[in-house]
Amino acid sequence: GAVVSQHPSRVICKSGTSVKIECRSLDFQATTMFWYRQFPKQSLMLMATSNEGSKATYEQGVEKDKFLINHASLTLSTLTVTSAHPEDSSFYICSAEGLYEQYFGPGTRLTVT
Amino acid sequence: AQTVTQSQPEMSVQEAETVTLSCTYDTSESNYYLFWYKQPPSRQMILVIRQEAYKQQNATENRFSVNFQKAAKSFSLKISDSQLGDTAMYFCAFMNTGNQFYFGTGTSLTVIP
Repeated sequence: GAVVSQHPSRVICKSGTSVKIECRSLDFQATTMFWYRQFPKQSLMLMATSNEGSKATYEQGVEKDKFLINHASLTLSTLTVTSAHPEDSSFYICSAEGLYEQYFGPGTRLTVT
Repeated sequence: AQTVTQSQPEMSVQEAETVTLSCTYDTSESNYYLFWYKQPPSRQMILVIRQEAYKQQNATENRFSVNFQKAAKSFSLKISDSQLGDTAMYFCAFMNTGNQFYFGTGTSLTVIP
């Protein structure tokens, strides 16, 4: 099946700094990618839809100025958490749109100290 | 808006036995897809089974099968001959015509040896 990678798999940053998470589709082109957030023992919550070459579409309640999404190519989408705070600590998962399904990356554990 | 409900936060089953996980959803759309994903401790989302809403026949994938009741908006997952490797979180998911996913709250399944 299609492979989606995320980098880094784990990151620790200090409060007030920014951190970038990359999502790559390794063996296919993805016009659309999605970003999710998952708190411990909870479900995946869709944060935004990332479209190649255009602005991302954010779900209600997600701050677009805090969670910057860039989808500059058909194989790469990035999520930048700006001015991170401890409450941003979470597991972030990306997915790439396939034919009638989504292919998920392995996730990135973000810890803000 | 689409909502997906999983009413069983935790379930357990004896190895080799059969277990059924419940899922209901709410939507006004007529065309959509339903999925069951498995999330083991590694946190990687793994597709278990997919059902197209326009198909009346229930999807099956080896030991996994679904009972799709479109009128009742119900989509349960049956795991036969449960194996220790089936221990994981199971998420029911709805995909709309915009290819956006909405996940249920998950069911934690433990297979007991």
